[in-house]
Amino acid sequence: AQTVTQSQPEMSVQEAETVTLSCTYDTSENNYYLFWYKQPPSRQMILVIRQEAYKQQNATENRFSVNFQKAAKSFSLKISDSQLGDTAMYFCAFMKPQGGGADGLTFGKGTHLIIQP
Amino acid sequence: DTEVTQTPKHLVMGMTNKKSLKCEQHMGHRAMYWYKQKAKKPPELMFVYSYEKLSINESVPSRFSPECPNSSLLNLHLHALQPEDSALYLCASSQVFLAGGINEQFFGPGTRLTVL
Repeated sequence: AQTVTQSQPEMSVQEAETVTLSCTYDTSENNYYLFWYKQPPSRQMILVIRQEAYKQQNATENRFSVNFQKAAKSFSLKISDSQLGDTAMYFCAFMKPQGGGADGLTFGKGTHLIIQP
Repeated sequence: DTEVTQTPKHLVMGMTNKKSLKCEQHMGHRAMYWYKQKAKKPPELMFVYSYEKLSINESVPSRFSPECPNSSLLNLHLHALQPEDSALYLCASSQVFLAGGINEQFFGPGTRLTVL
């Protein structure tokens, strides 16, 4: 079974600062997928960024980038130039490869990120 | 259309009631999921449907009964629930790849259920 650990229950930064959210995971799989999802207050979960374990290059999506360290089983999210709209709960999630089927996501406990004006 | 819709948004029910939650997507996805999310907790997987067949049941009590009538629709039938079942119920959908590929899951806004 997979486990996902987010060690920062809450973080608070000033607008325009850069913030890094940490995530570690444990798995015996060699190939898998990792995700960061964002859940704003009372709003639905949306995908921020995703990473395939077999790709060494770190994924980036505009202001969001990851630092994927496969050997260390670490998958941190960096948010640059943070904005008030980034305030949300951020979940790190793991998924095994599908191979013709479907499987659920295993989520970490989440980090509540607050962007202060 | 890249949206997953869920109805109702809110539901209050007694322990003896029977109710249903509905989820719909028109993205052509062939996998659909139910998750349960308690306050300030991460979502927990309940059920997975792949090509309209139940493929994963995470040991969910029988008072929760899923149904996938067609590739666009997913229901969760509720009966004799307990107060501890009060939670946000999230539906998600994704593609199914024959080999490899990231099955990115798209989530609906959820149904907030209160059991009295």
